[in-house]
Amino acid sequence: GAGVSQSPSNKVTEKGKDVELRCDPISGHTALYWYRQSLGQGLEFLIYFQGNSAPDKSGLPSDRFSAERTGGSVSTLTIQRTQQEDSAVYLCASSIGDRHNEQFFGPGTRLTVL
Amino acid sequence: AQSVTQLGSHVSVSEGALVLLRCNYSSSVPPYLFWYVQYPNQGLQLLLKYTTGATLVKGINGFEAEFKKSETSFHLTKPSAHMSDAAEYFCAVSPYSGNTPLVFGKGTRLSVIA
Repeated sequence: GAGVSQSPSNKVTEKGKDVELRCDPISGHTALYWYRQSLGQGLEFLIYFQGNSAPDKSGLPSDRFSAERTGGSVSTLTIQRTQQEDSAVYLCASSIGDRHNEQFFGPGTRLTVL
Repeated sequence: AQSVTQLGSHVSVSEGALVLLRCNYSSSVPPYLFWYVQYPNQGLQLLLKYTTGATLVKGINGFEAEFKKSETSFHLTKPSAHMSDAAEYFCAVSPYSGNTPLVFGKGTRLSVIA
């Protein structure tokens, strides 16, 4: 497919466990973004990768959250020691990295922490 | 700094009636503005965007929006609502330089009544 893909689509975990969420951006897109969508809160920026530059981590809510992007393509968002407040839909987006900034979104991963 | 305010978390219209979803933004630099739509259990899909040029922007599915700098607004309209328009709509802003995380409003859920 030509779009952004994310896996898993749903993840249920127990409080205190670590989880990894994966994002496959559109081929050739140099910019990749992670957002979190919580009920009634809209979309909250988490982290942003642009090419080989150091990522912008300014949106990460705590040091339990981290992300990496391997080979300028696939990205993994890791949440350590999950808490119930981490329950949300995690959305990934990619763009070609130009100033028009049109971002293409994946379907998201719904994370539920019990 | 930038912010987006969407007036009305929930808007309900009759089928065939005008749809008006309000978005006001604040930005210290000329903005790029976006409307995204999210159907249940799906990611965000771009409806339309304003970058430069014509201030009345036409998008997919019969939607359009007008950038009014003096009012710092970018309201979304559609002349005649269809049942398939029922979804969550998000307004977002990006600085003129682009290629940065989008700042989203909290979203407006549109219901269409038969």
